[in-house]
Amino acid sequence: AQSVTQLGSHVSVSEGALVLLRCNYSSSVPPYLFWYVQYPNQGLQLLLKYTTGATLVKGINGFEAEFKKSETSFHLTKPSAHMSDAAEYFCAVSEAGGFKTIFGAGTRLFVKA
Amino acid sequence: GAGVSQTPSNKVTEKGKYVELRCDPISGHTALYWYRQSLGQGPEFLIYFQGTGAADDSGLPNDRFFAVRPEGSVSTLKIQRTERGDSAVYLCASSAQGVGEQFFGPGTRLTVL
Repeated sequence: AQSVTQLGSHVSVSEGALVLLRCNYSSSVPPYLFWYVQYPNQGLQLLLKYTTGATLVKGINGFEAEFKKSETSFHLTKPSAHMSDAAEYFCAVSEAGGFKTIFGAGTRLFVKA
Repeated sequence: GAGVSQTPSNKVTEKGKYVELRCDPISGHTALYWYRQSLGQGPEFLIYFQGTGAADDSGLPNDRFFAVRPEGSVSTLKIQRTERGDSAVYLCASSAQGVGEQFFGPGTRLTVL
């Protein structure tokens, strides 16, 4: 069975600081990996995804994530946080070629001025 | 419409009642998903449709939950004999293909008193 663990339900950073949101997954087959963001009072939207190929993937708003098979990780980073990045972030996994998507519990990002 | 829409946005019902939640996917999207999101948790997969058929319903918690998509577009999630534990936000998502980006609706907040 697949699962996702997001380390830290809340992360607080200062504006301009590095953002690092951690995600570890468990999958018995090659995974597809996703990061979604949920801004206050809005629906979830896709930030980025890894399916095959290059393990460093770039997404919207300056975010990127690296698939590390040996560490079963897919951490999300952004070099410089902006106030508008304050939101809840969800890591998700599905089987390659499959459809059932498993989400982590989410990490709420706070950005301090 | 431009995005996935869900109706109603809020539903309050009494324990034991029957409810229907509706999802209008993006036009032309063949894949449709239902999720349930409880407070402080990530979306929990319920069921996935490809066209009119339920390709994976392994996430439905019990036989009180049922979903249909008779014409391959609009879907209805039906919950019989509601229980207080069914209270959550029910999310619908659609995608152009099974493992493509999922576009989420705003959700229906169900409260069972």
